[in-house]
Amino acid sequence: GQQLNQSPQSMFIQEGEDVSMNCTSSSIFNTWLWYKQDPGEGPVLLIALYKAGELTSNGRLTAQFGITRKDSFLNISASIPSDVGIYFCAGQSRGGTASKLTFGTGTRLQVTL
Amino acid sequence: DSGVTQTPKHLITATGQRVTLRCSPRSGDLSVYWYQQSLDQGLQFLIQYYNGEERAKGNILERFSAQQFPDLHSELNLSSLELGDSALYFCASSGDRGVAEKLFFGSGTQLSVL
Repeated sequence: GQQLNQSPQSMFIQEGEDVSMNCTSSSIFNTWLWYKQDPGEGPVLLIALYKAGELTSNGRLTAQFGITRKDSFLNISASIPSDVGIYFCAGQSRGGTASKLTFGTGTRLQVTL
Repeated sequence: DSGVTQTPKHLITATGQRVTLRCSPRSGDLSVYWYQQSLDQGLQFLIQYYNGEERAKGNILERFSAQQFPDLHSELNLSSLELGDSALYFCASSGDRGVAEKLFFGSGTQLSVL
């Protein structure tokens, strides 16, 4: 099935560092979602974006809906050990439902002390 | 805790066998979705049920089938298992017909086919 290109695939950073990851698609999406998956758990929604250019924050997390509607970005500031996990982006087309969500391949984040 | 319960958490079986994965949605949620997550892969949508009826189908193999029961719990049946079926299988539920932001995922069933 279709997938979004997410990069980087993995990151090893030190506590306190900022993190940036992105997601690109060949298709236009009307909604971008960012999820986090903790080890042994299911994905949990972090941020939802609905409009091109939109910038939304959730605590230390900030996500942006790309102007072209074909990409999205997630930044984590001042990382802490509990930020460890896999971050997924997901795109949804106009009129699409949850069954039409396209997920990225994930960015695996490791935080060292 | 998302409120979505999946059992078992781990399953180890052999090729050619058949297994059943179970999902109990959040209380009141009518929609159940099944996803497959293979190593280094994103989530692949398999199938959705809404109030007992199949609503949408994704990349689900013919060897796989699902159903949703009157009490709204769902089962995913995987038969004639192959090594490549080893993956993490997630169930998600939502209260409406498909608002993506309202999806809640279970903790998954890790299937290992040996």
